[in-house]
Amino acid sequence: AQSVTQLGSHVSVSEGALVLLRCNYSSSVPPYLFWYVQYPNQGLQLLLKYTSAATLVKGINGFEAEFKKSETSFHLTKPSAHMSDAAEYFCAVSSPSGGGADGLTFGKGTHLIIQP
Amino acid sequence: NAGVTQTPKFRVLKTGQSMTLLCAQDMNHEYMYWYRQDPGMGLRLIHYSVGEGTTAKGEVPDGYNVSRLKKQNFLLGLESAAPSQTSVYFCASRPPGDLSSYEQYFGPGTRLTVT
Repeated sequence: AQSVTQLGSHVSVSEGALVLLRCNYSSSVPPYLFWYVQYPNQGLQLLLKYTSAATLVKGINGFEAEFKKSETSFHLTKPSAHMSDAAEYFCAVSSPSGGGADGLTFGKGTHLIIQP
Repeated sequence: NAGVTQTPKFRVLKTGQSMTLLCAQDMNHEYMYWYRQDPGMGLRLIHYSVGEGTTAKGEVPDGYNVSRLKKQNFLLGLESAAPSQTSVYFCASRPPGDLSSYEQYFGPGTRLTVT
């Protein structure tokens, strides 16, 4: 079985400051890992994904994440927060077996608040 | 392309009533999914389908049924709604093949309240 833990249900940063959202996973096999963003009253949008190629993954809107197998982590970062980054962020994991047909396992989400 | 659409956007049901949520996609995707989102719980997979006429249970299937009679549509049914089914429901779809190549595309969600 696989699982995802997101540390911190709410994270508050000042505009222009570093954004760090934490994600740790548990998987019996090397996983695929994803970060999704959800803006208020909208569906989920893929930010970036790790699928066993480069361990440092760059996504949209200036976000990136680094896969660290030794720490079973996939933390999301952005060097300088913008007011438009305020949203809910979800980390998700899937097993590569079967091509991942059986969907994603999501973390509980982290609400990112940007202070002016 | 409209992408993934969901009908209705909002609904209020009384306990014991039934309803069907419709998910439609115009991207010719084989795989489709139903998730529910609850505060502090993230998204949890209810049922999924890897092709027309096939469905499978996800993490939280109890109280729900699904059908995939047409490739473009994935229906989620509640036969006898309960307050515990108050949630936001999301549908997603993607092409077949390895998940490393194909992301899931999500619909805008259906907010359901059961009183």
